[in-house]
Amino acid sequence: DAGVIQSPRHEVTEMGQEVTLRCKPISGHDYLFWYRQTMMRGLELLIYFNNNVPIDDSGMPEDRFSAKMPNASFSTLKIQPSEPRDSAVYFCASSSSTSGRAADTQYFGPGTRLTVL
Amino acid sequence: AQTVTQSQPEMSVQEAETVTLSCTYDTSESNYYLFWYKQPPSRQMILVIRQEAYKQQNATENRFSVNFQKAAKSFSLKISDSQLGDTAMYFCAFSTASKLTFGTGTRLQVTL
Repeated sequence: DAGVIQSPRHEVTEMGQEVTLRCKPISGHDYLFWYRQTMMRGLELLIYFNNNVPIDDSGMPEDRFSAKMPNASFSTLKIQPSEPRDSAVYFCASSSSTSGRAADTQYFGPGTRLTVL
Repeated sequence: AQTVTQSQPEMSVQEAETVTLSCTYDTSESNYYLFWYKQPPSRQMILVIRQEAYKQQNATENRFSVNFQKAAKSFSLKISDSQLGDTAMYFCAFSTASKLTFGTGTRLQVTL
């Protein structure tokens, strides 16, 4: 299996521009998570999906952030307009529920390093 | 709310020696999972080991093992025969109802 795939690996943009981060989860996984990692705040869960449906978006910082999962193999995280404080590493992770238990091992993608100038 | 505390920001160990990283957590849940993830300079988050709270037996993966003390809410990671490739940031994480809560991490440096 190729693991969780994220693109791009690096993104540099100017303040005010729209940024779209992409994620392909592991095939067969029914949970998908978006995280943000910064020095100040560590790893934060932004949003997660189950069977393509957003379950909890309470970690999304503000309306400038939006996430979609149009099908089981693709998700996007969009920031519009971007600001310098959005600079961080964004991770996508996926997991598979087993035996009806939702909590299971999350496998992470390589991350996207976003720099907003 | 669940919290995860890693009280050792940095640690150092010599190659081939053993090191233990500490983690404590707080929760009112009875069924949960605990994990250790490793993040080397490449930034990739790599699963090291996982423990299910209802299992008494401590998890082991090759040179990595845990000491899970449920009553004390403690979950330490022991790395035996440390290797240079073990140099990384190590995160303890707690999971229930699908959501992972991470500690602040311990930076481990393995030296010659």
